[in-house]
Amino acid sequence: DIQMTQSPSSLSASVGDRVTITCQASQDISNYLNWYQQKPGKAPKLLIYDASNLETGVPSRFSGSGSGTDFTFTISSLQPEDIATYYCQQYDNLSFTFGPGTKVDIK
Amino acid sequence: QVQLVESGGGLVKPGGSLRLSCAASGFTFSDYYMSWIRQAPGKGLEWVSYISSSGSTIYYADSVKGRFTISRDNAKNSLYLQMNSLRAEDTAVYYCARVRVAAHAFDIWGQGTMVTVSS
Repeated sequence: DIQMTQSPSSLSASVGDRVTITCQASQDISNYLNWYQQKPGKAPKLLIYDASNLETGVPSRFSGSGSGTDFTFTISSLQPEDIATYYCQQYDNLSFTFGPGTKVDIK
Repeated sequence: QVQLVESGGGLVKPGGSLRLSCAASGFTFSDYYMSWIRQAPGKGLEWVSYISSSGSTIYYADSVKGRFTISRDNAKNSLYLQMNSLRAEDTAVYYCARVRVAAHAFDIWGQGTMVTVSS
């Protein structure tokens, strides 16, 4: 099974800062990598699919890049409403796997 | 609007059974693959099961294989998860989610239903 790692596990940043989260797969997953935002007490929300495609209605300050085993998720200018946990997710061989998550707070 | 609403969660004893339901609205349910995903208290997301639009293709996570059964009724716009031989480690919020097959992504989620397995 493919394992997913994310770093950092948590971060604190100031409003307006650029925030970067990385996700690494244990094997090549091409661009089958998606990113979700989960706010406390809420269901996750799809933000980025196929590594770099912005979901309809999602603000353009969110972006994703990468392919193969190494992926990056970026918030270009952190806003107070971006406080959440962010998860990467991959699909391979009849199974879906989520990364452990990155909790983002405001400093 | 596009919506998924789960129901059927609750408190059950170890070894017991529970059936979760997910009612879909606002889209053509029979066109979409669907999935169940769970989240233990304070933990991350874990994919549980996946069913094709017709119900002919089904996958399970190893952690629930042989104990859980996913099914759907396209005439009722509903998805189900029959959970048997429940264990304490099955305690979680269970979400149903619509699958965007081309991206293997979960693009619409329900609000979740809590399942607690405890004596």
